[in-house]
Amino acid sequence: GIQVEQSPPDLILQEGANSTLRCNFSDSVNNLQWFHQNPWGQLINLFYIPSGTKQNGRLSATTVATERYSLLYISSSQTTDSGVYFCAVGRGTGNQFYFGTGTSLTVIP
Amino acid sequence: NAGVTQTPKFQVLKTGQSMTLQCAQDMNHNSMYWYRQDPGMGLRLIYYSASEGTTDKGEVPNGYNVSRLNKREFSLRLESAAPSQTSVYFCASSGYNDYGYTFGSGTRLTVV
Repeated sequence: GIQVEQSPPDLILQEGANSTLRCNFSDSVNNLQWFHQNPWGQLINLFYIPSGTKQNGRLSATTVATERYSLLYISSSQTTDSGVYFCAVGRGTGNQFYFGTGTSLTVIP
Repeated sequence: NAGVTQTPKFQVLKTGQSMTLQCAQDMNHNSMYWYRQDPGMGLRLIYYSASEGTTDKGEVPNGYNVSRLNKREFSLRLESAAPSQTSVYFCASSGYNDYGYTFGSGTRLTVV
């Protein structure tokens, strides 16, 4: 299967700081998503981004499929950004996705 | 509210017992999925259903069976629960023209 590596595994930020999370994958993919899992366990889809760049408020993401990586940018971080960020990639016809092990983000006030 | 509904939210089973996890979506999505999440391992795909009437194995199907009952519902069955199946189980769905996943709130299962 496809190997998905996320870095860093853990990140602690002061409120207001910016950060970049990285996702590398081992094979060509045709789908990629970023998720946020909040401290209560709920998984929220942030971006569906198989290629290119998207922005949603303080978050943006860029995927360079030919180089097999994606980046998630968080600007002006807030305590509510805390949680685990997952990258998931897919290439099957059934739209099944394979997840990385996540980046655990803690934003302190 | 539109979304993916999972039941139950919590369950404790004894080794060897069986149970069915239920999942229903009201977004008219074609595809549905079952994942398990274990500490430090991210989410792993158990089974998926690309469309009504079809099911396929994912990364970790052993010990599980699924049924796509209709377009809305996709159930996961543990025939003989084992402690290794202690995990948090998530159901998700995605649409034909909208490939982003919507997840349910999860079922926390403990097998003792």
